[in-house]
Amino acid sequence: ETGVTQSPTHLIKTRGQQVTLRCSSQSGHNTVSWYQQALGQGPQFIFQYYREEENGRGNFPPRFSGLQFPNYSSELNVNALELDDSALYLCASSLGGYTDTQYFGPGTRLTVL
Amino acid sequence: TQLLEQSPQFLSIQEGENLTVYCNSSSVFSSLQWYRQEPGEGPVLLVTVVTGGEVKKLKRLTFQFGDARKDSSLHITAAQPGDTGLYLCAVSSGTYKYIFGTGTRLKVLA
Repeated sequence: ETGVTQSPTHLIKTRGQQVTLRCSSQSGHNTVSWYQQALGQGPQFIFQYYREEENGRGNFPPRFSGLQFPNYSSELNVNALELDDSALYLCASSLGGYTDTQYFGPGTRLTVL
Repeated sequence: TQLLEQSPQFLSIQEGENLTVYCNSSSVFSSLQWYRQEPGEGPVLLVTVVTGGEVKKLKRLTFQFGDARKDSSLHITAAQPGDTGLYLCAVSSGTYKYIFGTGTRLKVLA
């Protein structure tokens, strides 16, 4: 059974650019959540996708958007990058359900210069 | 305002020592989870507690959910270098799905 994978591992962008991060969920999982983890902080919920539909959103501006594909893999897109967007972006997949166990990927480290 | 406050923020101890970390809130939760995150990896679920006063053990780790379901503690007995990591508590909360605490960064020295 393959775990949650994310790509790329590291990424460096400049202010104003756009970025796309990718996540492959664990086999059989139909729910994907994205989190932003700033240095020294706990993860902050960005949004969740369930069967290709957004199913909850945290306190992040619209320039953070996402997609989930029929195979349940997912993308996180961030437009007009700001310095404060520098963080570890984590993807977590689960079988679905409100309190179902989440399995996290290793994350993508984004640096905005 | 942080919903979940964890303490201490940092802890550096010698191998073999015992320690307790705390997760506190003014809100009541139906369940609470503890995760450990190691450098370069995502958080890994250690335990979920659901009943007020519940105590769960995972080898040398003991987790307790407060009677009022507002707080939780994690006690590690005879800490080992492999216990080093960031310990996070988290709760499910409506639209925001999961809210994580501020974390306790533990370093166990050999």
